[in-house]
Amino acid sequence: DAKTTQPNSMESNEEEPVHLPCNHSTISGTDYIHWYRQLPSQGPEYVIHGLTSNVNNRMASLAIAEDRKSSTLILHRATLRDAAVYYCILTFFGNEKLTFGTGTRLTIIP
Amino acid sequence: ETGVTQSPTHLIKTRGQQVTLRCSSQSGHNTVSWYQQALGQGPQFIFQYYREEENGRGNFPPRFSGLQFPNYSSELNVNALELDDSALYLCASSFGHAGAQYFGPGTRLLVL
Repeated sequence: DAKTTQPNSMESNEEEPVHLPCNHSTISGTDYIHWYRQLPSQGPEYVIHGLTSNVNNRMASLAIAEDRKSSTLILHRATLRDAAVYYCILTFFGNEKLTFGTGTRLTIIP
Repeated sequence: ETGVTQSPTHLIKTRGQQVTLRCSSQSGHNTVSWYQQALGQGPQFIFQYYREEENGRGNFPPRFSGLQFPNYSSELNVNALELDDSALYLCASSFGHAGAQYFGPGTRLLVL
């Protein structure tokens, strides 16, 4: 399975944008990039996913590098509720299991 | 629209016993995946059921088994419980085996 690398932790101020990076240098052409987050004492929550083009939804935006070897999850205006562990995960058709790494623990400073 | 529900929320068992955990998938979803999350770690994939058939399995021994019913709800069975089985067990449902997965709140199992 292709692996992802994320910083262990990040901090951001409330009401400011947050850019969470993810490196996946061994990604293949059919790998999808998924982001999930896990708030304290809850199950993981789907955030967004994409293949090649940038994606937007009501929760976040996903910016994918042209060579697809890295991506960035963008939270446009962080709130305290966004404090969570964020996981960047690759899947491909026929192997859609989610392989969670250690993720990035995001702390929001009021 | 009802989300993913799991029962029970908490459970205490002793070593060697057997346990059954239950999951009701989100309305319209036909795929259920199960994960184990030990304290301080990310979830680990156990197996997935798609239209009542097992569709992939992680690195877990055969004493971890599952079932999916015609209404797409699912059970996770663990036999001969070991202390290391103490964890949060998460169920996730999706539409199709490649869709975004929506997780339940989990069942916390403690094995003494």
